[in-house]
Amino acid sequence: GESVGLHLPTLSVQEGDNSIINCAYSNSASDYFIWYKQESGKGPQFIIDIRSNMDKRQGQRVTVLLNKTVKHLSLQIAATQPGDSAVYFCAESNNNNDMRFGAGTRLTVKP
Amino acid sequence: DTGVSQDPRHKITKRGQNVTFRCDPISEHNRLYWYRQTLGQGPEFLTYFQNEAQLEKSRLLSDRFSAERPKGSFSTLEIQRTEQGDSAMYLCASSLERSREAFFGQGTRLTVV
Repeated sequence: GESVGLHLPTLSVQEGDNSIINCAYSNSASDYFIWYKQESGKGPQFIIDIRSNMDKRQGQRVTVLLNKTVKHLSLQIAATQPGDSAVYFCAESNNNNDMRFGAGTRLTVKP
Repeated sequence: DTGVSQDPRHKITKRGQNVTFRCDPISEHNRLYWYRQTLGQGPEFLTYFQNEAQLEKSRLLSDRFSAERPKGSFSTLEIQRTEQGDSAMYLCASSLERSREAFFGQGTRLTVV
């Protein structure tokens, strides 16, 4: 069936470097995508979203890129900090319905 | 604190017992979602409400699970005759229908022994 998934389960980066977390989706009807950050023992925290009529959106230190041709979503974190260490999930939604999540990528920032 | 609130944060119960969790969404949010998350996995959709109407239920939501949102504000999720496989984090989220940006609570961690 159709699903949201991630290319890599873990990512380790040096503090100060940029991080790129990838996500593949297969539901071409999805029109809204969200990145969440989840720290241990906490609920997911909204980071940034993007609608399917856009291919790039920037926030504070974060950028989301959407490539609808290959059904690929990425989250770029600039100047990664130790506080960015967490599990990152992408989620998709279509027709204003519920969100479906991928399995997540664990980001570890080395000092 | 005006975020999504869940109660209790932790629940340990014996197999076969019933448990009920509560979620208080952000006050003006008319959409409320329930998710289940097991260790190392992403949240799995269970059900969602728009105001008091339950609009969608996942196949994961067996007959032992029931959710309500009687007045369109807080919601409860009840699990009857709990099984060890029900052990998970149960997450609640809320959003405005027009924005679709969902905010999560801290979750209720259920352990069935």
